[in-house]
Amino acid sequence: AQSVTQLGSHVSVSEGALVLLRCNYSSSVPPYLFWYVQYPNQGLQLLLKYTSAATLVKGINGFEAEFKKSETSFHLTKPSAHMSDAAEYFCAVLTGANSKLTFGKGITLSVRP
Amino acid sequence: KAGVTQTPRYLIKTRGQQVTLSCSPISGHRSVSWYQQTPGQGLQFLFEYFSETQRNKGNFPGRFSGRQFSNSRSEMNVSTLELGDSALYLCASSVTSGGAADTQYFGPGTRLTVL
Repeated sequence: AQSVTQLGSHVSVSEGALVLLRCNYSSSVPPYLFWYVQYPNQGLQLLLKYTSAATLVKGINGFEAEFKKSETSFHLTKPSAHMSDAAEYFCAVLTGANSKLTFGKGITLSVRP
Repeated sequence: KAGVTQTPRYLIKTRGQQVTLSCSPISGHRSVSWYQQTPGQGLQFLFEYFSETQRNKGNFPGRFSGRQFSNSRSEMNVSTLELGDSALYLCASSVTSGGAADTQYFGPGTRLTVL
């Protein structure tokens, strides 16, 4: 069975600072990995996904993530935080030929002026 | 292209009642998945429908059910509501049920409050 661990529930950064949101996965088969963002009172929006084509994945809004098999990690980064990045971020894993996403608990990102 | 739509956006029910939530997928998408989001349990998979057939089911009691119509629209039903069913119910659609190659697009959700 697959699982996702997102350490910490809240990250606070200053505007312009590096954003680093951690995600570790557990999967017995090669995983597909996703990062979604959720703004207040909205659904989930896909930021980026890893499907084994390239280990460094670039997404929307300047975010990127690197798949590291040896560390079973898929951390999300953005070089310079913007106030509009304040939201909740979810890492998710999918294995097998189905559409069942397993999500982490989510991390709330706050951006200080 | 219009996104995933869910109706209603907000619902208030009392314990013991039943409720039906609706999801209209993106045009051309044939797979619809449902998720429950609560502060305590996070996002949990309920079930997935593809071509009117339930393909996968999460670990929820039988009070939670769903169906999909020939136009790919889906409904989920919760019978005998309990306080713990209060949650944001999210629907996601994808072109097929083919795994990672197929991005799931989420709707805005239906906020269900059970009193």
